[in-house]
Amino acid sequence: SQQGEEDPQALSIQEGENATMNCSYKTSINNLQWYRQNSGRGLVHLILIRSNEREKHSGRLRVTLDTSKKSSSLLITASRAADTASYFCATASNQAGTALIFGKGTTLSVSS
Amino acid sequence: ETGVTQSPTHLIKTRGQQVTLRCSSQSGHNTVSWYQQALGQGPQFIFQYYREEENGRGNFPPRFSGLQFPNYSSELNVNALELDDSALYLCASSLELRKETQYFGPGTRLLVL
Repeated sequence: SQQGEEDPQALSIQEGENATMNCSYKTSINNLQWYRQNSGRGLVHLILIRSNEREKHSGRLRVTLDTSKKSSSLLITASRAADTASYFCATASNQAGTALIFGKGTTLSVSS
Repeated sequence: ETGVTQSPTHLIKTRGQQVTLRCSSQSGHNTVSWYQQALGQGPQFIFQYYREEENGRGNFPPRFSGLQFPNYSSELNVNALELDDSALYLCASSLELRKETQYFGPGTRLLVL
C-alpha cells in the first residue's frame, strides 16, 4: 500500500522557474526522504529530513516537514531541463525494519 | 552511480514461469531491500534481508521469495508468474538496518506475457 501521496501528479514549468511538490503521509515517521527517478530507471536519493527537523536545504533543493499535518514539500529553485524526472517522497516509520514507503510520485517536466 | 548493480536489465517471461533476479549491493552494505514498481506507481516494498536473514516483508504472496548470500548479494525469485507481475523490480542496499538513505540499482524490467 502507498503511504505518501504527492501533489500535484504532474507539473510542467519553464526553465528558471521554481517547482514545488507536496507529500502527505499517514503514520508517524522516523524520517522522510525525497528521491528522483529518470525515465523508469533506478531512484536517486535527494535529501532526508528527520522528524525533529522542520526545514533542510541542499543546493537548489529545499524541503520542509510539518509532522502535525503529516506533510512535506520539496522546492526546486531555478529549475533546469535536466530536472525533468519523477519525484517521490518516501517515509521510514518508527516501527521495526527500514522499509521505505513511497508515494505515487510527481512527474516534473521542465522545458527550455 | 550508486554502486548497486542488477541483472538482467530486461526480461520477458510467460505466465506460469519462474524468474530469478539478481542484485549486487554497494560495497560495505549488508542490508538489501527489494521493491516492485508498476507502471505509473511508486515502488512497493517486497522484503528486506539483513545478514542473510529476512528482516521484514511487505504485502506480497509467498511465491515471491529471496536470498541473501555471504557477500551480501541477493536474489529475488518469483514463481508461477502472473500478468500483474510485469513491473520494474528495484533492489536497494543500505548499511546495517539504519533508517537512512537506501541506494538503488537501475532495476530489472520484467514483462510477463
